[in-house]
Amino acid sequence: NAGVTQTPKFRVLKTGQSMTLLCAQDMNHEYMYWYRQDPGMGLRLIHYSVGEGTTAKGEVPDGYNVSRLKKQNFLLGLESAAPSQTSVYFCASSYTGLAIEAFFGQGTRLTVV
Amino acid sequence: RKEVEQDPGPFNVPEGATVAFNCTYSNSASQSFFWYRQDCRKEPKLLMSVYSSGNEDGRFTAQLNRASQYISLLIRDSKLSDSATYLCVVNAGNNRKLIWGLGTSLAVNP
Repeated sequence: NAGVTQTPKFRVLKTGQSMTLLCAQDMNHEYMYWYRQDPGMGLRLIHYSVGEGTTAKGEVPDGYNVSRLKKQNFLLGLESAAPSQTSVYFCASSYTGLAIEAFFGQGTRLTVV
Repeated sequence: RKEVEQDPGPFNVPEGATVAFNCTYSNSASQSFFWYRQDCRKEPKLLMSVYSSGNEDGRFTAQLNRASQYISLLIRDSKLSDSATYLCVVNAGNNRKLIWGLGTSLAVNP
C-alpha cells in the first residue's frame, strides 16, 4: 500500500520562485493536512482540509496556498518563496479529524536560498 | 503556557533500562491523546493511542491523568531500536486539529 505519497522529496528554490508540493493518499481519507517542521518549533499546521473542495487555515498559513480539488490529493503552493520557508514539509491524512491516527508522507526537504 | 509540553530531554539510557516520558496539556476539553515516534529525518508514526484506563503494548505503557492534564509513556527493557524522538500529541476539543509537543529525544546506548 502506498499510503501517503509526497512529491518532490527534495527541492532547492531561489527567493521569489514558486512551487507546488503534491500530496496523494490512497486510503480514502477525508482529512488532509500540511505541516512544517523546524528545529525547536515542532510540527506546525499550515493548512488543512476536511473534505474534497474544502480548505482551512492552520497556525502558520501566511505565504502558502492550498487546494483540494480531488479527495485523494492535497496541493501546497508557495507563490513567492522566502528563506523563512526553508523547512521540512509533511503531508498527513486521517479518516476523520477526531481521535484517529494520522498517516504521514515521507516529507519534502525544501531549501530557499 | 504551550498547549502541549514535554520533558526537554535528551534522554541517554543503557540498553535494558526503563525510561519514562511525561507530557502536559493545557486544554481541559482535549479528547484524544497519542504518542508518536519519529526517527531521524523520517516522518512521525503512531506509536500508541492513550486511553483513560491506561494501555499497554508490549514494552510500552501509556497513561492518562485527566485531572492533572498529564500523559506519560513508559518504555521497559529499552532496545537500541527505541532510539528516536517521541512526540506527545493531543486532539484539542472540537477543532479537529492535532496539537503536537516538541518531542523528547531518546538515545539507547549499548
